[in-house]
Amino acid sequence: AQTVTQSQPEMSVQEAETVTLSCTYDTSESDYYLFWYKQPPSRQMILVIRQEAYKQQNATENRFSVNFQKAAKSFSLKISDSQLGDAAMYFCAYRSDSWGKLQFGAGTQVVVTP
Amino acid sequence: EAGVVQSPRYKIIEKKQPVAFWCNPISGHNTLYWYLQNLGQGPELLIRYENEEAVDDSQLPKDRFSAERLKGVDSTLKIQPAELGDSAVYLCASGQGASTGELFFGEGSRLTVL
Repeated sequence: AQTVTQSQPEMSVQEAETVTLSCTYDTSESDYYLFWYKQPPSRQMILVIRQEAYKQQNATENRFSVNFQKAAKSFSLKISDSQLGDAAMYFCAYRSDSWGKLQFGAGTQVVVTP
Repeated sequence: EAGVVQSPRYKIIEKKQPVAFWCNPISGHNTLYWYLQNLGQGPELLIRYENEEAVDDSQLPKDRFSAERLKGVDSTLKIQPAELGDSAVYLCASGQGASTGELFFGEGSRLTVL
């Protein structure tokens, strides 16, 4: 069974600074999807960034980028130029294919200080 | 385009009472998921539908939980009778199989059992 591990319960960052969230996963599959979702206090999950395992190039979405290390089964998220609106719970998630379930990590709470 | 709609947003009941949650997925999405999220934790899958068929209900406590997805669109999740430990947020998500792999989430239904 696939497992997703987020070892940082909370990360604090100052506005305009950079923070990196860690995620590791366990799988025997060669093709899969990895995601970072953001969950603000209102609770609705919002997709931040997505990576397909067959793509070697790291995904980037504006201030958000990932470092995907397939051999190490590592998928970290970097938030650059942090803003107060980035404060939320961030979940790393794995999906074996476009039909399967999304397996979540325990989450990392990001706190942004002025 | 309307997102995933869930109701009610909040529900407070006494233990042993029944409760039902409703989800309307994004139009055209053929996969639908119910997740359970305890406070400070990542969501855990309860049941997954492909069209009308429940293809993964292995994590659904069938002695008290039931779900249905009539006509492959709306879905209802029921708990009867509710226990104190059922207090949590129930998230609904939908997606399109054979697409980008992304799931879209509703705002969730927060259940408090007294």
